[in-house]
Amino acid sequence: NAGVTQTPKFRILKIGQSMTLQCAQDMNHNYMYWYRQDPGMGLKLIYYSVGAGITDKGEVPNGYNVSRSTTEDFPLRLELAAPSQTSVYFCASSYQWGGRTDTQYFGPGTRLTVL
Amino acid sequence: AQKITQTQPGMFVQEKEAVTLDCTYDTSDPSYGLFWYKQPSSGEMIFLIYQGSYDQQNATEGRYSLNFQKARKSANLVISASQLGDSAMYFCAMREGVSGTSYGKLTFGQGTILTVHP
Repeated sequence: NAGVTQTPKFRILKIGQSMTLQCAQDMNHNYMYWYRQDPGMGLKLIYYSVGAGITDKGEVPNGYNVSRSTTEDFPLRLELAAPSQTSVYFCASSYQWGGRTDTQYFGPGTRLTVL
Repeated sequence: AQKITQTQPGMFVQEKEAVTLDCTYDTSDPSYGLFWYKQPSSGEMIFLIYQGSYDQQNATEGRYSLNFQKARKSANLVISASQLGDSAMYFCAMREGVSGTSYGKLTFGQGTILTVHP
């Protein structure tokens, strides 16, 4: 299993540009998450999904959008990039069954710089 | 109020010695989970250990153990016999609520940088 994969690994955007960060998992996990990590800080939840077609906002959703058309993929869309969105973005997934949620496993991250 | 507090921005330890990384949490929910993740300089997030709020015993995973003191709301990570490869950022995280309603969402502390000296 590849686990959780993210592309690209690095990206530089100009202010106002848009892009999509890709995330895929091959563990048949039903829950998926997007976090951002600013320098020297912990991770903050942007959006999450509990299954295909179901998404909800986390702590810091402004400036982002998500979709989940399949169990495997959970892309994060940045519209009108701003310098405040310079961060490292992590995708994670976990499995929920019978009222219990398993540990979250993280992708390698995407380092985004907005200039 | 901070839900997860890691008060040690940086810690130093000699190789082969034990080290404790502090984590305190704040929740009114009786059901929660506590996690520790390691982030080496390469940047990935590596799961280390988990403690559930109803677990009677402290969690252990190899050289990692979690010193869970529920009344004090602390969940300190203990690394025994430190190795040079343990040098990394360590994050404490909490999942609140019954899993079916919290959807597994994690709240992270700000992290502690551990440096292991030879």
